[in-house]
Amino acid sequence: EPEVTQTPSHQVTQMGQEVILRCVPISNHLYFYWYRQILGQKVEFLVSFYNNEISEKSEIFDDQFSVERPDGSNFTLKIRSTKLEDSAMYFCASSGGLAGLNPYEQYFGPGTRLTVT
Amino acid sequence: AQKVTQAQTEISVVEKEDVTLDCVYETRDTTYYLFWYKQPPSGELVFLIRRNSFDEQNEISGRYSWNFQKSTSSFNFTITASQVVDSAVYFCALSGETSYDKVIFGPGTSLSVIP
Repeated sequence: EPEVTQTPSHQVTQMGQEVILRCVPISNHLYFYWYRQILGQKVEFLVSFYNNEISEKSEIFDDQFSVERPDGSNFTLKIRSTKLEDSAMYFCASSGGLAGLNPYEQYFGPGTRLTVT
Repeated sequence: AQKVTQAQTEISVVEKEDVTLDCVYETRDTTYYLFWYKQPPSGELVFLIRRNSFDEQNEISGRYSWNFQKSTSSFNFTITASQVVDSAVYFCALSGETSYDKVIFGPGTSLSVIP
């Protein structure tokens, strides 16, 4: 079964450093998302991406964040200058599959746990 | 605005008991999708079910069943004969009518099944 993959599984960084979280969505999916889950809290939407541009972003997604699809397979989330409160699990998701995949379901990756010290 | 409420923060049951997790949602969309996800201690999100707003039939999958009641905006989840492996956080979620909308998650219910 196709799946979304994310690397690394765990990233530790120092406050003020830049981090890039990587995701490989399901091949042929058209919509891509990032979500964040602070430990013990609910999963929150950050941003959606379609046709090489942001289609929607939440108020959490401020100027410190950016997303990119640098090639045909990867989808990245960059945090320019990390803060302690950026420590969370970050989930990538993709949707909008072609025949053989449910087009209405967002498939979530396993997550990257980001720890900012 | 869209919102999902899960009033039960934590539930603890003894193995083999049945347990129902409550979910109430708010949306102005006439077409929408409801979901349940399981998050085990390892942290990944495991998709359990998707329901579209036009399909009010209850669904059963093994020990799991779901009760969708549009009249009360509820989408409750029942685990029959609970097992220790069911211990996890369960999230109810909602997405909009385009089906490519973002998913709005509830705060989650932490279920502990005691042997």
